[in-house]
Amino acid sequence: KNQVEQSPQSLIILEGKNCTLQCNYTVSPFSNLRWYKQDTGRGPVSLTIMTFSENTKSNGRYTATLDADTKQSSLHITASQLSDSASYICVVSELTGTASKLTFGTGTRLQVTL
Amino acid sequence: GAVVSQHPSRVICKSGTSVKIECRSLDFQATTMFWYRQFPKQSLMLMATSNEGSKATYEQGVEKDKFLINHASLTLSTLTVTSAHPEDSSFYICSARTEGDQPQHFGDGTRLSIL
Repeated sequence: KNQVEQSPQSLIILEGKNCTLQCNYTVSPFSNLRWYKQDTGRGPVSLTIMTFSENTKSNGRYTATLDADTKQSSLHITASQLSDSASYICVVSELTGTASKLTFGTGTRLQVTL
Repeated sequence: GAVVSQHPSRVICKSGTSVKIECRSLDFQATTMFWYRQFPKQSLMLMATSNEGSKATYEQGVEKDKFLINHASLTLSTLTVTSAHPEDSSFYICSARTEGDQPQHFGDGTRLSIL
């Protein structure tokens, strides 16, 4: 069964600090991996997308890494801001024929405090 | 670009009421739309996949007679929760994509509360 596991489940950090969120997956065949940010009561918003051949991708203060051999990904947030408080969801896409099927992680709830 | 609008954002109604939620792709044609349900502190769970002009494909355990999905055009899909009960209270999110392996774009969700 395809699974996506994220750690930690929740995290509290001080504003300005860095943090790294982890994602391990067993999805196969792998198509791509996305990190989403979901604010409370809102829909997920894509931060980064990585395909099999990509190791690192940045989007502002967000940097995602992917190790397709070990099936691990991380999302590093630099110089955190209060507005970074949200759930971060790792989503892995499985290529099935001409369409893709998504497997969602349970997310990491990040709280940035003063 | 790639905006998905979901309406209403919040619904509170009595048990037994049927509730319709709309999902629109505002600036692209959505060949496929997806409906998800999310309970507190849990991840999104796919309920069904709908392709324009055809019947929706429901995930295992999702009652198709209770969650009616219509995808009549390339920009609109609706989810109707029929005879809603308190256990149907949840956060319902739709997403849309053009085709194949193109990314899904998510709406902002509908918070459904059944009293």
